[in-house]
Amino acid sequence: DTEVTQTPKHLVMGMTNKKSLKCEQHMGHRAMYWYKQKAKKPPELMFVYSYEKLSINESVPSRFSPECPNSSLLNLHLHALQPEDSALYLCASSPGLAGRIGYEQYFGPGTRLTVT
Amino acid sequence: SQQGEEDPQALSIQEGENATMNCSYKTSINNLQWYRQNSGRGLVHLILIRSNEREKHSGRLRVTLDTSKKSSSLLITASRAADTASYFCATGRFSGGYNKLIFGAGTRLAVHP
Repeated sequence: DTEVTQTPKHLVMGMTNKKSLKCEQHMGHRAMYWYKQKAKKPPELMFVYSYEKLSINESVPSRFSPECPNSSLLNLHLHALQPEDSALYLCASSPGLAGRIGYEQYFGPGTRLTVT
Repeated sequence: SQQGEEDPQALSIQEGENATMNCSYKTSINNLQWYRQNSGRGLVHLILIRSNEREKHSGRLRVTLDTSKKSSSLLITASRAADTASYFCATGRFSGGYNKLIFGAGTRLAVHP
């Protein structure tokens, strides 16, 4: 199974809501990522988890809170978002962080988030 | 921060023609990757080329890397309508114990039947 799944596909939330995005992979990958992608822009890295521990936080506002309950699951908790946070949120995984070598990343289909 | 810049921003060709996309970057890298993204969906990994490699092939795809010029190209031969998508180069750079991937702005390819 070389698939990364994300739920929900679409999400509309108000600025006072709390919601969560979910990501799952069963490839045995030990690194998982959250990216944010605005329309017609490249993906921008938000968080990296390695062996279920947060390794990288790219100075993301605290209204985004990641969680890695186990090696297959990655969540992104959302609270008090702003309309400018509307974007496609992509989850990805790779076999590891790979040090100086680098691995390809496997992406999920994304969650299209609209903040009203 | 954006490391790679892609050229052209948009490319429109007929089925059967070849499509060439270029990527330039600024700092040293240890690998460069190409991804495809169909409209508003997830990215699909195409090819990873390491800094000590010059050329790689995968099916109708050919990627070259010139580290002296800090540039790469992706060639799609005998294009099909199904190749219509955005193509991103992503440079891998070792930083803080992590191989960070930074995506370029992308090239939007349209292949017309």
